[in-house]
Amino acid sequence: AQKITQTQPGMFVQEKEAVTLDCTYDTSDQSYGLFWYKQPSSGEMIFLIYQGSYDEQNATEGRYSLNFQKARKSANLVISASQLGDSAMYFCAMREGFDNDMRFGAGTRLTVKP
Amino acid sequence: DSGVTQTPKHLITATGQRVTLRCSPRSGDLSVYWYQQSLDQGLQFLIQYYNGEERAKGNILERFSAQQFPDLHSELNLSSLELGDSALYFCASSTGQGYNEQFFGPGTRLTVL
Repeated sequence: AQKITQTQPGMFVQEKEAVTLDCTYDTSDQSYGLFWYKQPSSGEMIFLIYQGSYDEQNATEGRYSLNFQKARKSANLVISASQLGDSAMYFCAMREGFDNDMRFGAGTRLTVKP
Repeated sequence: DSGVTQTPKHLITATGQRVTLRCSPRSGDLSVYWYQQSLDQGLQFLIQYYNGEERAKGNILERFSAQQFPDLHSELNLSSLELGDSALYFCASSTGQGYNEQFFGPGTRLTVL
């Protein structure tokens, strides 16, 4: 079964607007970590933001925030004030347990229009 | 720049051959992870090492093997290569404590002809 689901294969947003990229996850563990990574066309994977399952506040990192809804098992990424350089693939990932692997979703391709 | 280095950047080889991909983790990171990214399979975890010992294993084929050396650099060995092994191979590192984020290297693009 898919552990991480990203239902939006592609998204478009106008420059300077905010956009939400969806991510739902499946786990029976109480303790886990959720991550978002950005992969531009150059190919590197860039860490954006992390949310722990016990964190009571939503994580924020600059223009990135994570809308964490534990009961719904969702961890959506919100990018505010989109920039052209935000055009990339975005991956949601989850890690259950300290020694377990990180599972990635299929990704969402975001295109920022000028 | 994540601080994780991978060599080579590109590798072109033929079916049946063997290659070695190399990774140096960020300074201070004890954990190294290997991932394969292909168009049909997405990003898949292969294997994790922590301070020289294997910690977790994912969808790694028997033709593939890895190790982490005392200086913490890691190598991924791919043998009896097939066309389907063509992919982007990432190495990532983390401190290995808790749910720390993993920092990815630039990747090695392997093309098997």
